[in-house]
Amino acid sequence: GENVEQHPSTLSVQEGDSAVIKCTYSDSASNYFPWYKQELGKRPQLIIDIRSNVGEKKDQRIAVTLNKTAKHFSLHITETQPEDSAVYFCAASPPTGANSKLTFGKGITLSVRP
Amino acid sequence: DAGVIQSPRHEVTEMGQEVTLRCKPISGHNSLFWYRQTMMRGLELLIYFNNNVPIDDSGMPEDRFSAKMPNASFSTLKIQPSEPRDSAVYFCASSLARRSHYGYTFGSGTRLTVV
Repeated sequence: GENVEQHPSTLSVQEGDSAVIKCTYSDSASNYFPWYKQELGKRPQLIIDIRSNVGEKKDQRIAVTLNKTAKHFSLHITETQPEDSAVYFCAASPPTGANSKLTFGKGITLSVRP
Repeated sequence: DAGVIQSPRHEVTEMGQEVTLRCKPISGHNSLFWYRQTMMRGLELLIYFNNNVPIDDSGMPEDRFSAKMPNASFSTLKIQPSEPRDSAVYFCASSLARRSHYGYTFGSGTRLTVV
């Protein structure tokens, strides 16, 4: 089955700097890669996703890049703000079907220092 | 849409008691997932349903855990008997699985404390 790993487990940046969170996956058949943000005491929420037919996707201050050859994808946050502090989960999924499901990484805690 | 609705939000129970967690998925979504989240283990998939049918329950810890989805708008996760190590936040999520993937929408979770 799919195995998704995130490194490092924690990341601290100064407000205004950029943050990059990286994930690797094992199943070359995976073709959907979402990112979730979970603030303290709240639910995980989808913030951006990418499909394997594109290499990059942007949405305001966040972007995701995908390297299918190396089987890794990254979340980029520019001009970080204190409200970006949260746990970020990456996930991967094989092509859709009744038995298809997301496999989540363990999460990375991002701290943005004011 | 009100999103994925879970109840109760908080549950405190004594060891040995039965606990039932409830979930109402987003209308029209055909897949439903139960997750458990702890500091040590992160997000663990317990079981998921597709079109109300259980597809994979390999994440269910043991026979004390059971889940049902009697119809497209309701699911339950039951723990009987409960133990202190079951204390965690339990999330329900739903999604629409068709030709293209869509992300999961999570409920607010149920924080379970077993004393």
